[in-house]
Order: sequence, then structure tokens, then C-alpha cells
Amino acid sequence: QSVLTQPPSASGTPGQRVTISCSGGSSNIGRNTVNWYQQFPGMAPKLLMYRDGQRPSGVPDRFSGSKSGNSASLAISGLQSEDEADYFCAAWDDSMAGVVFGGGTQLIVL
Amino acid sequence: QVQLQESGPGLVKPSGTLSLTCTVSGDSLSNYYWTWIRQPPGKGLEWIGYVYDSGRTSYNPSLKSRVTMSIDTSKSQFSLKLSSVTPADTAVYYCAREILAGYYNGEWGSWGQGALVTVPS
Repeated sequence: QSVLTQPPSASGTPGQRVTISCSGGSSNIGRNTVNWYQQFPGMAPKLLMYRDGQRPSGVPDRFSGSKSGNSASLAISGLQSEDEADYFCAAWDDSMAGVVFGGGTQLIVL
Repeated sequence: QVQLQESGPGLVKPSGTLSLTCTVSGDSLSNYYWTWIRQPPGKGLEWIGYVYDSGRTSYNPSLKSRVTMSIDTSKSQFSLKLSSVTPADTAVYYCAREILAGYYNGEWGSWGQGALVTVPS
């Protein structure tokens, strides 16, 4: 049971806009910034978004992040087949004094 | 560009101690937080904890009684020990580094490739 809640799967067709949600509480998302990771099978996760909506160098601007209250979202516009991967949200949790994750969302490009 | 590489036994007996080392190249360990994260096969990510260059540590409360992390800046390595392992500890173990020095927020821009550790039943 993950502290942050994500839908287990999401899907879209090429060119579409897809949103992945991440729901938490006042001790994590409500007080701290959210980071997003992209993971392909057999590979280490890759930092996709940090501090709610900042993209590391090299991440296409098709990816965007936002936060409101105790929830955050990752949006992918102009969906491409290579975006098919697992996506995880993460945030510092003040109660646990550590980082908590969402359970991950498998994105399927139809 | 910093690179991280995990190493250690891939098989640990139940009740034994899992020991992994992360070797860092391309940058100094100084001023950074160094993190261990694990992922059971087919499941999500779990934060294990971090060690700072000073040796200061912070652990996941659910694992705290069994975890020890250490750092050796002279060898450019940091290590994880997890005691009293069970099959539930079977996972890919990753080491990672924050994108910014002296700052901890789970913003891991550099990762090792991961090391699968199996605890048989």
C-alpha cells in the first residue's frame, strides 16, 4: 500500500494528451514538492519532473507537472509511442521523515 | 558526468545480511546526499534511506531496525547493509544521487543500473 495514490494504468493514442494523477496528504504533497520518474522495463528510473513542474535538461516540453493542494499531476501532450513506460510520483513526507512514492502508473500508447 | 554502480552478492540466505556497495565515478562524494531505493520484482519503488558525506544517515522507519548505511569518500563508495533478510527483501536495489549538492528532496538525477538481490524461501 503506497502512501501516494496513482491510477495503476493510463492510456492514450499517439498525439493525444494524457494526465496521470498523484494524490497524497498534508504531510507530503500538501507541504512539499513532487517529483516524477519515468521507468522503462529493466531500466533504472529517470527523473522526469522535479519541484512540481521543473523539467531536467533533456526532457521534452511535452511533459509538464502541476500541483494543487494535496494532489499533483503529470501531463503528457502529443503522446508518442516511446512514452510507453511506468511513471512514479514521489515526495518528502514530514511525518515519516522520508520520501514516499506512488504505486506507479503504467502508460500504454494504443 | 557522475556514474554510479552497485555491486554485491545477488543471493542472500534468509536471516542473513544483505550487503551492497555503490561506487561513484566522475565526481566527488562530498556535499551530496547518497540514497538507496529498492523495487521488488513487478512492484513499485521504496525509499530505504540516505547517507550524507559526513556520515549522517536517515532511514525508512519500516526498515530502520535492520538498515545500516555508511560512506567512504576516500574510496568513492557508499554502502548498504540490511540484516535479518527474508524473501520479502528480494528486490532490485538502486543507489542514486540528488541533482543538487547539500540538498535533499528526492530529486535523483543520477542512478546506478540496479542490483537484483534474491532471498530464497
